This record gives sequence, structure tokens and C-alpha cells, in this order.
Amino acid sequence: AQTVTQSQPEMSVQEAETVTLSCTYDTSESDYYLFWYKQPPSRQMILVIRQEAYKQQNATENRFSVNFQKAAKSFSLKISDSQLGDAAMYFCAYRYLSGTYKYIFGTGTRLKVLA
Amino acid sequence: DVKVTQSSRYLVKRTGEKVFLECVQDMDHENMFWYRQDPGLGLRLIYFSYDVKMKEKGDIPEGYSVSREKKERFSLILESASTNQTSMYLCASSTGTGTWRRNYEQYFGPGTRLTVT
Repeated sequence: AQTVTQSQPEMSVQEAETVTLSCTYDTSESDYYLFWYKQPPSRQMILVIRQEAYKQQNATENRFSVNFQKAAKSFSLKISDSQLGDAAMYFCAYRYLSGTYKYIFGTGTRLKVLA
Repeated sequence: DVKVTQSSRYLVKRTGEKVFLECVQDMDHENMFWYRQDPGLGLRLIYFSYDVKMKEKGDIPEGYSVSREKKERFSLILESASTNQTSMYLCASSTGTGTWRRNYEQYFGPGTRLTVT
């Protein structure tokens, strides 16, 4: 069965610095999607960035980028120039393209941004 | 602007009550999901639906049922609420299969924090 592991329950970063959140997953599939979602305190969960497994190029969205290592089954999120508004729970998620419609989520990493 | 709404942000119910949580999406999405979010456990899938009147059990369906009579609406039902069902409940929707390389992004509602006393 597919699993998603986020080994860092909590991380801190100084404002304007860079932080990397880790995510590993286990799958026997070759084609799938990976996502990072952000859940700010008392606010709606939103998509930060997505990566299609067949694409070798790492996805980038402004200050957010991923390091996708397919062979190692690793999908880390790098946040550059951290801002106070980046403080949130971050969830890594996996969805594969065949069969079930399910998404598998990790347990989350709480990111604190220090002024 | 895409939107997923949930009927209540906060709900307090008594043990044994029947509880209905409603979710509505305005994006014409085929797939809808109910998750439960607990600290340290992340999001756990309760049920999902890939079409009207179609549903499948997720990882923790015990004590819950669902209903999807219309494409835009997906209801979660706690037949007899218990204290261990106190949690945050998140609804989400996404596009389905059938179109090559859809983005499959899930759109989430604001959540319902349910307390069962």
C-alpha cells in the first residue's frame, strides 16, 4: 500500500531565510502525482505546488520549489525568502493515476516563521 | 472563484445524536471526499464519491455513512455520534479521470470542528 511519511512534525525558520520540508513516499506505481498543501491557522487548505512523476523537471511556483527524487521516492519542499504568512501546517500528498481515486496524505509539518 | 463550502464551522452534539455534515462544491467536480483531521495523524479518508449515488469506503469508514444525491452535494452522516468522533472534518472535491493529464488538485472546504460530548 502507498504511504507518505513526513518525518518533521515541526520546523522553524527565520524570516527571509530558506527552509526545506521533507517528504518520502512508498509506491510500486510508475506514474502518479505528488502535492504539497498548506493549511494556515483556522483557514482553508490550499495547494502550494504539484509534481507529475513522469516529469523529470522539478516544479517551481514563485518562492516554492520541490526537489523530486523519483528513485529515492523523495519529494521535499523548499521555501525561499520565508515570510510570516508562510506559517502553517504543510501536508505532502500522493495520488496515483490508475484505479482508485484516493489521495494519501502525510501527517503534516508545522512551520513556524520567526520575525 | 472556485469554492467548496461546508454547512457549519463549529458543531457541538451529544453522544448518540445523529449528525449531518453537508458539503457543496460549485466546480462541477466528479469526485468528492470526506476526511477526518486529527493532530499527529494527518488527514484520513472516511469516504469518497466518484459520481452521483456512487461511493467507496476510505480508510476509516466505521461509524460513518455518506450520501450523494446531486453532483454538487456530498453529505457525511454520523448515525450515532460518539466522543471518539470529536474531530475536524474536511470536505474536498477534484476533477475525475477521463481527460488526459488533468491536474487532480483537490479543493478543500473550511472544515467543520465537531465536538461530541
